[in-house]
Amino acid sequence: AQSVTQPDIHITVSEGASLELRCNYSYGATPYLFWYVQSPGQGLQLLLKYFSGDTLVQGIKGFEAEFKRSQSSFNLRKPSVHWSDAAEYFCAVVIGTGGGNKLTFGTGTQLKVEL
Amino acid sequence: GAVVSQHPSWVICKSGTSVKIECRSLDFQATTMFWYRQFPKQSLMLMATSNEGSKATYEQGVEKDKFLINHASLTLSTLTVTSAHPEDSSFYICSARATGVTGELFFGEGSRLTVL
Repeated sequence: AQSVTQPDIHITVSEGASLELRCNYSYGATPYLFWYVQSPGQGLQLLLKYFSGDTLVQGIKGFEAEFKRSQSSFNLRKPSVHWSDAAEYFCAVVIGTGGGNKLTFGTGTQLKVEL
Repeated sequence: GAVVSQHPSWVICKSGTSVKIECRSLDFQATTMFWYRQFPKQSLMLMATSNEGSKATYEQGVEKDKFLINHASLTLSTLTVTSAHPEDSSFYICSARATGVTGELFFGEGSRLTVL
Protein backbone atom coordinates (compact mmCIF):
# COMPACT_ATOMS: atom_id res chain seq x y z
CA ALA A 1 0.00 0.00 0.00
CA GLN A 2 1.09 3.54 -0.68
CA SER A 3 2.22 5.37 2.44
CA VAL A 4 4.08 8.34 3.84
CA THR A 5 6.16 7.81 6.96
CA GLN A 6 7.46 10.34 9.41
CA PRO A 7 9.46 8.22 11.84
CA ASP A 8 9.80 10.88 14.54
CA ILE A 9 6.63 11.74 16.43
CA HIS A 10 8.34 14.31 18.63
CA ILE A 11 11.60 16.20 18.29
CA THR A 12 13.10 18.69 20.70
CA VAL A 13 15.94 20.98 19.70
CA SER A 14 17.60 23.98 21.27
CA GLU A 15 17.13 27.35 19.69
CA GLY A 16 19.93 27.99 17.24
CA ALA A 17 20.59 24.31 16.66
CA SER A 18 20.13 22.64 13.30
CA LEU A 19 17.05 20.59 12.50
CA GLU A 20 16.25 17.65 10.27
CA LEU A 21 12.79 16.11 10.03
CA ARG A 22 12.54 12.80 8.23
CA CYS A 23 10.01 11.76 5.62
CA ASN A 24 9.90 8.56 3.59
CA TYR A 25 7.36 7.46 1.03
CA SER A 26 6.54 4.18 -0.62
CA TYR A 27 5.41 4.69 -4.19
CA GLY A 28 6.55 3.23 -7.47
CA ALA A 29 6.67 6.50 -9.34
CA THR A 30 8.22 9.82 -8.33
CA PRO A 31 5.54 11.73 -6.46
CA TYR A 32 5.01 15.39 -5.88
CA LEU A 33 6.31 16.10 -2.39
CA PHE A 34 5.35 18.75 0.12
CA TRP A 35 6.11 19.92 3.61
CA TYR A 36 3.44 21.77 5.58
CA VAL A 37 3.54 23.38 9.00
CA GLN A 38 0.60 23.63 11.37
CA SER A 39 0.44 25.81 14.47
CA PRO A 40 -2.00 24.77 17.23
CA GLY A 41 -5.61 25.19 16.16
CA GLN A 42 -4.60 26.50 12.76
CA GLY A 43 -4.74 25.32 9.18
CA LEU A 44 -1.73 24.26 7.20
CA GLN A 45 0.89 26.47 5.63
CA LEU A 46 3.02 25.25 2.76
CA LEU A 47 6.74 25.40 3.50
CA LEU A 48 8.05 24.01 0.25
CA LYS A 49 7.35 21.56 -2.55
CA TYR A 50 9.18 19.36 -5.03
CA PHE A 51 7.78 18.55 -8.45
CA SER A 52 10.88 17.95 -10.57
CA GLY A 53 14.33 19.35 -11.34
CA ASP A 54 16.83 20.33 -8.67
CA THR A 55 16.45 17.89 -5.82
CA LEU A 56 17.33 20.49 -3.19
CA VAL A 57 14.44 22.88 -2.78
CA GLN A 58 14.29 26.06 -0.79
CA GLY A 59 11.20 27.08 1.09
CA ILE A 60 9.92 29.82 3.31
CA LYS A 61 11.19 30.65 6.79
CA GLY A 62 14.68 29.35 5.99
CA PHE A 63 13.63 25.74 5.44
CA GLU A 64 14.97 23.47 2.73
CA ALA A 65 14.37 19.86 1.76
CA GLU A 66 16.22 17.34 -0.35
CA PHE A 67 14.59 14.70 -2.50
CA LYS A 68 16.60 11.48 -2.61
CA ARG A 69 15.10 9.00 -5.03
CA SER A 70 17.39 6.16 -3.98
CA GLN A 71 16.19 6.48 -0.39
CA SER A 72 12.59 7.45 -1.18
CA SER A 73 13.09 10.34 1.20
CA PHE A 74 12.29 14.04 1.37
CA ASN A 75 13.82 15.29 4.61
CA LEU A 76 13.22 18.82 5.85
CA ARG A 77 16.14 20.81 7.22
CA LYS A 78 16.87 24.16 8.80
CA PRO A 79 20.36 25.30 9.78
CA SER A 80 19.32 27.31 12.83
CA VAL A 81 15.97 26.84 14.54
CA HIS A 82 14.04 29.75 16.04
CA TRP A 83 11.61 29.47 18.94
CA SER A 84 8.79 30.41 16.57
CA ASP A 85 9.42 27.25 14.56
CA ALA A 86 7.77 25.16 17.28
CA ALA A 87 4.78 23.54 15.54
CA GLU A 88 3.57 20.35 13.90
CA TYR A 89 5.18 19.47 10.59
CA PHE A 90 3.56 17.27 7.98
CA CYS A 91 5.11 15.65 4.96
CA ALA A 92 2.65 15.01 2.14
CA VAL A 93 2.63 13.33 -1.22
CA VAL A 94 0.59 13.58 -4.40
CA ILE A 95 0.81 10.87 -6.99
CA GLY A 96 0.64 11.77 -10.65
CA THR A 97 -1.26 14.55 -12.35
CA GLY A 98 -4.62 12.85 -12.34
CA GLY A 99 -6.76 11.45 -9.57
CA GLY A 100 -7.79 14.86 -8.38
CA ASN A 101 -4.38 15.55 -6.86
CA LYS A 102 -5.22 13.95 -3.55
CA LEU A 103 -2.70 14.59 -0.82
CA THR A 104 -1.62 11.78 1.45
CA PHE A 105 -0.16 13.02 4.72
CA GLY A 106 2.37 11.54 7.06
CA THR A 107 1.49 11.28 10.73
CA GLY A 108 3.33 14.47 11.55
CA THR A 109 6.30 15.46 13.71
CA GLN A 110 5.81 17.71 16.69
CA LEU A 111 8.74 20.11 17.06
CA LYS A 112 9.56 21.67 20.40
CA VAL A 113 12.21 24.34 20.69
CA GLU A 114 14.06 24.84 23.94
CA LEU A 115 15.22 28.35 24.70
CA GLY B 1 -0.36 33.32 -2.25
CA ALA B 2 -3.85 32.04 -2.77
CA VAL B 3 -6.24 32.31 0.16
CA VAL B 4 -8.78 29.77 1.30
CA SER B 5 -11.19 30.79 4.03
CA GLN B 6 -13.32 28.57 6.24
CA HIS B 7 -16.32 29.60 8.27
CA PRO B 8 -17.04 29.18 11.08
CA SER B 9 -13.71 28.73 12.83
CA TRP B 10 -15.41 27.35 15.92
CA VAL B 11 -18.84 25.84 16.32
CA ILE B 12 -20.54 24.15 19.23
CA CYS B 13 -23.80 22.35 18.66
CA LYS B 14 -26.18 20.00 20.40
CA SER B 15 -26.29 16.33 19.54
CA GLY B 16 -28.77 15.62 16.76
CA THR B 17 -28.48 18.98 15.04
CA SER B 18 -26.80 19.69 11.71
CA VAL B 19 -23.86 21.98 11.15
CA LYS B 20 -22.68 23.57 7.91
CA ILE B 21 -19.06 24.56 7.31
CA GLU B 22 -18.12 26.75 4.37
CA CYS B 23 -14.90 26.72 2.40
CA ARG B 24 -14.22 29.61 0.04
CA SER B 25 -11.36 30.31 -2.32
CA LEU B 26 -11.03 34.08 -2.09
CA ASP B 27 -8.79 35.03 -4.96
CA PHE B 28 -8.86 32.08 -7.32
CA GLN B 29 -11.25 29.57 -8.84
CA ALA B 30 -11.09 26.05 -7.50
CA THR B 31 -12.37 23.25 -9.65
CA THR B 32 -11.60 20.78 -6.92
CA MET B 33 -11.78 21.10 -3.16
CA PHE B 34 -10.92 18.53 -0.55
CA TRP B 35 -12.27 18.00 2.94
CA TYR B 36 -10.07 16.58 5.68
CA ARG B 37 -10.70 15.59 9.24
CA GLN B 38 -8.06 15.80 11.93
CA PHE B 39 -8.30 14.21 15.34
CA PRO B 40 -6.23 15.63 18.20
CA LYS B 41 -2.52 15.06 17.73
CA GLN B 42 -3.10 13.06 14.57
CA SER B 43 -2.63 13.58 10.89
CA LEU B 44 -5.18 14.76 8.37
CA MET B 45 -7.46 12.12 6.93
CA LEU B 46 -9.05 12.82 3.57
CA MET B 47 -12.82 12.55 3.76
CA ALA B 48 -13.91 13.47 0.28
CA THR B 49 -13.07 15.19 -2.97
CA SER B 50 -15.48 17.87 -4.06
CA ASN B 51 -15.75 18.76 -7.74
CA GLU B 52 -17.66 21.82 -8.89
CA GLY B 53 -20.99 20.90 -10.38
CA SER B 54 -20.82 17.20 -9.63
CA LYS B 55 -21.21 14.78 -6.76
CA ALA B 56 -18.43 14.48 -4.25
CA THR B 57 -16.23 11.42 -4.16
CA TYR B 58 -15.99 9.98 -0.67
CA GLU B 59 -13.11 8.01 0.78
CA GLN B 60 -13.70 4.52 2.04
CA GLY B 61 -15.37 4.49 5.43
CA VAL B 62 -16.80 8.01 5.20
CA GLU B 63 -20.59 8.14 5.36
CA LYS B 64 -21.84 10.30 2.52
CA ASP B 65 -25.26 10.68 4.09
CA LYS B 66 -23.62 11.88 7.26
CA PHE B 67 -21.21 14.32 5.70
CA LEU B 68 -22.99 16.13 2.89
CA ILE B 69 -20.75 18.01 0.51
CA ASN B 70 -21.90 20.58 -2.00
CA HIS B 71 -19.64 22.38 -4.47
CA ALA B 72 -22.07 24.74 -6.16
CA SER B 73 -19.58 27.24 -7.53
CA LEU B 74 -15.90 27.53 -8.38
CA THR B 75 -15.25 29.40 -5.14
CA LEU B 76 -17.44 27.67 -2.58
CA SER B 77 -17.76 24.19 -1.14
CA THR B 78 -19.79 23.32 1.94
CA LEU B 79 -19.63 20.42 4.35
CA THR B 80 -22.76 19.68 6.35
CA VAL B 81 -22.49 17.32 9.29
CA THR B 82 -25.99 15.93 9.66
CA SER B 83 -27.46 14.73 12.92
CA ALA B 84 -24.18 15.40 14.66
CA HIS B 85 -23.03 13.25 17.56
CA PRO B 86 -20.18 13.76 20.02
CA GLU B 87 -17.96 11.39 18.03
CA ASP B 88 -18.20 13.84 15.11
CA SER B 89 -16.34 16.42 17.18
CA SER B 90 -13.16 17.13 15.32
CA PHE B 91 -11.11 19.67 13.38
CA TYR B 92 -12.27 19.89 9.78
CA ILE B 93 -9.98 21.40 7.18
CA CYS B 94 -10.66 22.14 3.54
CA SER B 95 -8.21 22.65 0.74
CA ALA B 96 -8.55 23.89 -2.79
CA ARG B 97 -6.63 23.42 -5.98
CA ALA B 98 -6.52 26.32 -8.39
CA THR B 99 -7.87 25.58 -11.86
CA GLY B 100 -5.09 24.62 -14.20
CA VAL B 101 -2.49 24.26 -11.46
CA THR B 102 -0.95 20.87 -10.84
CA GLY B 103 -0.23 19.53 -7.40
CA GLU B 104 -0.29 22.45 -5.01
CA LEU B 105 -3.21 22.80 -2.67
CA PHE B 106 -4.12 25.74 -0.48
CA PHE B 107 -5.60 25.10 2.92
CA GLY B 108 -8.22 26.84 4.96
CA GLU B 109 -7.70 27.72 8.60
CA GLY B 110 -9.82 24.83 9.78
CA SER B 111 -13.11 24.59 11.65
CA ARG B 112 -13.32 23.17 15.15
CA LEU B 113 -16.61 21.31 15.73
CA THR B 114 -17.68 20.35 19.22
CA VAL B 115 -20.87 18.34 19.59
CA LEU B 116 -22.34 18.29 23.09
